[in-house]
Amino acid sequence: SQTIHQWPATLVQPVGSPLSLECTVEGTSNPNLYWYRQAAGRGLQLLFYSVGIGQISSEVPQNLSASRPQDRQFILSSKKLLLSDSGFYLCASGKARVRGEQFFGPGTRLTVL
Amino acid sequence: RKEVEQDPGPFNVPEGATVAFNCTYSNSASQSFFWYRQDCRKEPKLLMSVYSSGNEDGRFTAQLNRASQYISLLIRDSKLSDSATYLCVVTTGGSYIPTFGRGTSLIVHP
Repeated sequence: SQTIHQWPATLVQPVGSPLSLECTVEGTSNPNLYWYRQAAGRGLQLLFYSVGIGQISSEVPQNLSASRPQDRQFILSSKKLLLSDSGFYLCASGKARVRGEQFFGPGTRLTVL
Repeated sequence: RKEVEQDPGPFNVPEGATVAFNCTYSNSASQSFFWYRQDCRKEPKLLMSVYSSGNEDGRFTAQLNRASQYISLLIRDSKLSDSATYLCVVTTGGSYIPTFGRGTSLIVHP
């Protein structure tokens, strides 16, 4: 089965600082990868997804970006954080043959002050 | 109209009760359906897939009604540990992007 690693678990950053969150996947190859954000008490918002190395699709316009330098590595970045970037960031890996079935990492709780 | 809608609850039930959640979806081309469970401040975890014929896993039963475009989750003999948010997920054929409902909160009390 797949294992999704995310770090750090918790992060407190000042407004205007950069961000880099990393996600790595074990137990599968060529997965579809996703970044979600969940604000407090809200649903999951899809930020980016990737079907292969170097292939990134953005779902919402924002000051975040994503990259996939390796098959099982997905990175979420920002050059300058906003207060509204606070939230619970989740990386997920999907099986191409069973679309919709996803495995989530433990998440990073980001607070921007 | 939202693509996937759920009653946010909370559903507050005593231990041992039977509780059911519904989730409606708007896209008739939807092909894959799932229920996820999310504990407080944790990541969502797949609870079960929902097949056209329905499926059962212990105390949990999931059903799909394509004509009325909804899926359901039935939990029998509720346990305290069932307290969580239950997310409905729908995927349209050909899409890599699942659509998540906002979840239904369940609280099981002694």
